[in-house]
Amino acid sequence: EDKVVQSPLSLVVHEGDTVTLNCSYEVTNFRSLLWYKQEKKAPTFLFMLTSSGIEKKSGRLSSILDKKELSSILNITATQTGDSAIYLCAVEAGYGGATNKLIFGTGTLLAVQP
Amino acid sequence: GAGVSQSPSNKVTEKGKDVELRCDPISGHTALYWYRQRLGQGLEFLIYFQGNSAPDKSGLPSDRFSAERTGESVSTLTIQRTQQEDSAVYLCASSPSGGLKFEQYFGPGTRLTVT
Repeated sequence: EDKVVQSPLSLVVHEGDTVTLNCSYEVTNFRSLLWYKQEKKAPTFLFMLTSSGIEKKSGRLSSILDKKELSSILNITATQTGDSAIYLCAVEAGYGGATNKLIFGTGTLLAVQP
Repeated sequence: GAGVSQSPSNKVTEKGKDVELRCDPISGHTALYWYRQRLGQGLEFLIYFQGNSAPDKSGLPSDRFSAERTGESVSTLTIQRTQQEDSAVYLCASSPSGGLKFEQYFGPGTRLTVT
């Protein structure tokens, strides 16, 4: 059964701290791994990773995929209160024919305190 | 069993025209999602239908975008007065249940090109 597991489930840090969120997966026909930030309802796309070992970076956020370990990490440096959100990891996998699947992890709830 | 189907597979339209994209979900799936994927980017959530509940439209980028779903079947995504930045692949997915914690099954997408 395909699954995506995130850890920790929740995390409380202080402004300025650096955090690392983890995502591991077991899927057949892996296509890509995506990170989203969910503050209200619609998740906001952060990164898409398809190649192992290549870091994607956007400001204070960065992410890297390790296909050997079937995992990815999302790093946030110098955290701010605005980083408080649920961070979702999703894996896109081939399903059959023209249909792909997207499997979401349960998310990591990050709370950044002033 | 059939997967998710979408039509048309390709659509080229002139700037300013309206377009309508169709999605047929997997039979029995109560949840339906529309995403947009620009070249080289990840899936951008647009709208989510779950059963008879009011749809979650929070991802729609502007009021030119709207979507409807008839019961738990077909959905249409309408883009009015298309702009060049609307060019993307529009993907539809369905899920046996709602939320983001269940697997979503994707259709092949509609590639929209606005000239």
